[in-house]
Amino acid sequence: NAGVTQTPKFQVLKTGQSMTLQCAQDMNHEYMSWYRQDPGMGLRLIHYSVGAGITDQGEVPNGYNVSRSTTEDFPLRLLSAAPSQTSVYFCASRTSGGSYEQYFGPGTRLTVT
Amino acid sequence: GQQLNQSPQSMFIQEGEDVSMNCTSSSIFNTWLWYKQDPGEGPVLLIALYKAGELTSNGRLTAQFGITRKDSFLNISASIPSDVGIYFCAGIHSLSGTYKYIFGTGTRLKVLA
Repeated sequence: NAGVTQTPKFQVLKTGQSMTLQCAQDMNHEYMSWYRQDPGMGLRLIHYSVGAGITDQGEVPNGYNVSRSTTEDFPLRLLSAAPSQTSVYFCASRTSGGSYEQYFGPGTRLTVT
Repeated sequence: GQQLNQSPQSMFIQEGEDVSMNCTSSSIFNTWLWYKQDPGEGPVLLIALYKAGELTSNGRLTAQFGITRKDSFLNISASIPSDVGIYFCAGIHSLSGTYKYIFGTGTRLKVLA
């Protein structure tokens, strides 16, 4: 079991560029989420999915798109990168059962210049 | 967005000492989670608490779900150098059938050998 995996580990973009952050999990979890982590702040939810084909916005969705075509994968797309999107991005997953224990990937550190 | 207050923000302790930290909120939560994050890594789940007053241990770690459901506590006994890292709490409450995770800003622990 690899758990939750994320690629790339590091990325530098220029303002206006687009890219996709990859996330995959092998635990057959229905729920997957994307968070960003900024200094001095708690993790903030960007988008989440409760199953393949179903996504919804979180607290800070602007500038990001997601899709969920399979249970395993949940990519996050930056449409036109801005310096305000410089952050560390974490993907997380959990089962839809009675446990609310959420498991995180290792993160992608993104810098937008 | 809503955040949890974690205290202290950071602490230096001597190896072998016990450590206490807490997480407080004005909101009631159904579940509390405690995570540890090492530099450059994703948060790793340490303990999950599901009932008010519940006391749960994981090795040298003990966490408690506050009786008011608005707070939680984490204790680390006999600290060792590898305890260094950032400890996050997360409170979960349900709202119209959905579950919202609120994350604390973390307690940074530094252990002096």
